[in-house]
Amino acid sequence: AQSVTQLGSHVSVSEGALVLLRCNYSSSVPPYLFWYVQYPNQGLQLLLKYTSAATLVKGINGFEAEFKKSETSFHLTKPSAHMSDAAEYFCAVSEPGGGADGLTFGKGTHLIIQP
Amino acid sequence: GAGVSQSPSNKVTEKGKDVELRCDPISGHTALYWYRQSLGQGLEFLIYFQGNSAPDKSGLPSDRFSAERTGGSVSTLTIQRTQQEDSAVYLCASSFRDREIYGYTFGSGTRLTVV
Repeated sequence: AQSVTQLGSHVSVSEGALVLLRCNYSSSVPPYLFWYVQYPNQGLQLLLKYTSAATLVKGINGFEAEFKKSETSFHLTKPSAHMSDAAEYFCAVSEPGGGADGLTFGKGTHLIIQP
Repeated sequence: GAGVSQSPSNKVTEKGKDVELRCDPISGHTALYWYRQSLGQGLEFLIYFQGNSAPDKSGLPSDRFSAERTGGSVSTLTIQRTQQEDSAVYLCASSFRDREIYGYTFGSGTRLTVV
């Protein structure tokens, strides 16, 4: 069975500061990992994904994430926060060939950007 | 269509009434998923369709919930005898068969309020 833990339901950073959103996963096989962003009153939008290629993955809007197998982590970072980054961020895991369970999502982290 | 379309976008219903939520996936996406997003609870997997078949219905929270998909396209999630705890945002997503590679495309959701 797979699971995802996102540390911190709320993270607040100043505009221009580093953004770090933490995600740890549990999976019985090498997983696929995803980060999604949800803006108010919208659906989820794919930011980036790891599917067993390069461990450092670059996504949209300047975000990137690094897969670290030894730490079972897939933390999301952005060097310099922008006001428009304020949103809910979800980490998700899928096991290749994992059947009908779909993606397993973390509970989400609400990113707040302070001016 | 260009994206996943969900209707209605908002629904207010009285306790005890039945509701139908509709999802129109991206053309060519064979897999379709329903999730429920409650405040502070993250995303809860409800059901998955591959074509018109739903291999796993165990995520549906009670027998008041049912879903169908016809023609490998549009899906309807029906909630009978709605209760206040059913209030949530219901999200639909679709993907190609090998969903793990591509991730999902989400609709904007239906916000259900049971009063």
